[in-house]
Amino acid sequence: SQQGEEDPQALSIQEGENATMNCSYKTSINNLQWYRQNSGRGLVHLILIRSNEREKHSGRLRVTLDTSKKSSSLLITASRAADTASYFCATDLPGTNAGKSTFGDGTTLTVKP
Amino acid sequence: DVKVTQSSRYLVKRTGEKVFLECVQDMDHENMFWYRQDPGLGLRLIYFSYDVKMKEKGDIPEGYSVSREKKERFSLILESASTNQTSMYLCASSERSQPQHFGDGTRLSIL
Repeated sequence: SQQGEEDPQALSIQEGENATMNCSYKTSINNLQWYRQNSGRGLVHLILIRSNEREKHSGRLRVTLDTSKKSSSLLITASRAADTASYFCATDLPGTNAGKSTFGDGTTLTVKP
Repeated sequence: DVKVTQSSRYLVKRTGEKVFLECVQDMDHENMFWYRQDPGLGLRLIYFSYDVKMKEKGDIPEGYSVSREKKERFSLILESASTNQTSMYLCASSERSQPQHFGDGTRLSIL
């Protein structure tokens, strides 16, 4: 089974609203990353949070990590139609020597103008 | 900016053919990866390579092989294509333990 699982599977909001996506994982991690994928394109890295960090910001993105609950959340504030995409979390396990990440199934976000 | 280039965006092949998917990165990254992406199944790792001529199996290596003769190029080979290998294939590269950079994918159809 997947190490990371996103919730919800799909999210539809109006432009200007905030969007929150969650990721849960099963085992201890080195770091957790969030990626975005526009339809028909490859994934683009958004933000990386290490296991000893609790919160990280990048522009309109805010990521939190709760290692005791084995969960992370991605908050996109003041969403725009251009934020419409699929969002994936990925985890790197301790001892992984090649930066191999395990990806979740993704959350599909639709932002209506 | 890092560029990961996959040789084809769309590819149509026949059952039983040997299929080559090529991926080239221009940032001298040590690691390269091949994934397949199917609806409802997310990204699944097929193979990865952490150095030239080095490779390790991912989660779903059956029916695939890979080749990394040069650092910048990582090839995925379908030895005898089957219809259940119809999928989106994504290549990625990274520095060790750094975020991955992805190509735009190859949508492969096996008829």
